[in-house]
Amino acid sequence: DTAVSQTPKYLVTQMGNDKSIKCEQNLGHDTMYWYKQDSKKFLKIMFSYNNKELIINETVPNRFSPKSPDKAHLNLHINSLELGDSAVYFCASKVGEGTDTQYFGPGTRLTVL
Amino acid sequence: AQSVSQHNHHVILSEAASLELGCNYSYGGTVNLFWYVQYPGQHLQLLLKYFSGDPLVKGIKGFEAEFIKSKFSFNLRKPSVQWSDTAEYFCAAYPTDSWGKLQFGAGTQVVVTP
Repeated sequence: DTAVSQTPKYLVTQMGNDKSIKCEQNLGHDTMYWYKQDSKKFLKIMFSYNNKELIINETVPNRFSPKSPDKAHLNLHINSLELGDSAVYFCASKVGEGTDTQYFGPGTRLTVL
Repeated sequence: AQSVSQHNHHVILSEAASLELGCNYSYGGTVNLFWYVQYPGQHLQLLLKYFSGDPLVKGIKGFEAEFIKSKFSFNLRKPSVQWSDTAEYFCAAYPTDSWGKLQFGAGTQVVVTP
């Protein structure tokens, strides 16, 4: 059983395109996150949703838009892709507010040509 | 500003050597602390965590970490490494009163040679 899953695993696309990455968790968690890992392996939080409500919105270009249709899913849509968007995007989830561990998905490696 | 810093970016050691990776955090209040490991081409896996209680925590694969509040540190240790411990190690933290806004250190690339 995969706890946190992401699709696709690899995404190669041209500059200017629009793409989406999907994330699903079957842990029954209320809170989900998107992180970006750059080429130097540095990880930075982008967004977080709790029960479909946006609770963390870091300084990211507004070309990035998260969407949470229900608390088990958090998708990331990226418009007008740029070379600098190339990275590995990780989804994570945890129970809710307060002390708990975040569990990470396998990552989506996005390459913009 | 809140931050997490890791002391070493690259560590190379031989099998059976001892490993210690340094991590310091700067937060005003209480924090939850984590060490994650990322094996080549894989996702982040939790090694261990500290929320409260005994400051010496034991994790998977023989790793342990010690929380020293006075030094704002959460150093990771393993007495004897194996080749399979070659990976990227990340220290991370979030304030206990937050929604889990994890802040990561820059990571330490550990290479264990046979």
